[in-house]
Amino acid sequence: EIVLTQSPGTLSLSPGERATLSCRASQSVSSSYLAWYQQKPGQAPRLLIYGASSRATGIPDRFSGSGSGTDFTLTISRLEPEDFAVYYCQHYGSSPPQYTFGQGTKLEIK
Amino acid sequence: EVQLVESGGGLVQPGGSLRLSCAASGFTFSSHWMSWVRQAPGKGLEWVANTKQDGSENYFVDSVKGRFTISRDNAKNSLYLQMNSLRAEDTAVYYCARETRFTMNRGIIGARYYYYMDVWGKGTTVTVSS
Repeated sequence: EIVLTQSPGTLSLSPGERATLSCRASQSVSSSYLAWYQQKPGQAPRLLIYGASSRATGIPDRFSGSGSGTDFTLTISRLEPEDFAVYYCQHYGSSPPQYTFGQGTKLEIK
Repeated sequence: EVQLVESGGGLVQPGGSLRLSCAASGFTFSSHWMSWVRQAPGKGLEWVANTKQDGSENYFVDSVKGRFTISRDNAKNSLYLQMNSLRAEDTAVYYCARETRFTMNRGIIGARYYYYMDVWGKGTTVTVSS
């Protein structure tokens, strides 16, 4: 079973700064099964990135994803006030067939 | 508008049962795998179960196997989660999510498969407590 470890646990930045969030898998995974979600308090998660690097519909281009193998990154180029939230990476594994989430990174206003 | 609306949550005693429902609209429900994902208070996301388009394949996280069943009624555009033998650790917000899966054919390189959850409901709260 694949374990996803996100770092840092909390990231304190100011609007306008660049955010870099990490997701590390316990073994090499297919990047096409790697997704990123944003969740704000009291709201459902929202898909940001799928296939490690493809933006979902309606997602601003300040969000980008990269990585392969065991190391994946979500980058927010210039933080807007609405970007402060919790971010989760997710992977689909086929053996056994199941989804796994990382524990999340909280992006807070400095 | 593409939408998922969960219902059926509530307070139940340990050992009790609850059936969650998820009503889908705005898309072809029968074309998608569907998942349930939960979030315990103050915790992260945990995938619980999913079901294939025709209900012929169902998968569960280990912690709910033998206690939860998932089903769907494509005629009613509805997804269900039957939860039995509930425990305190099942307390969570339960989200219904649409899966999108597609294949990109890359010629001799071979096919690449993409899986993700692109539509989510607002969730329904399940509290297991005496």
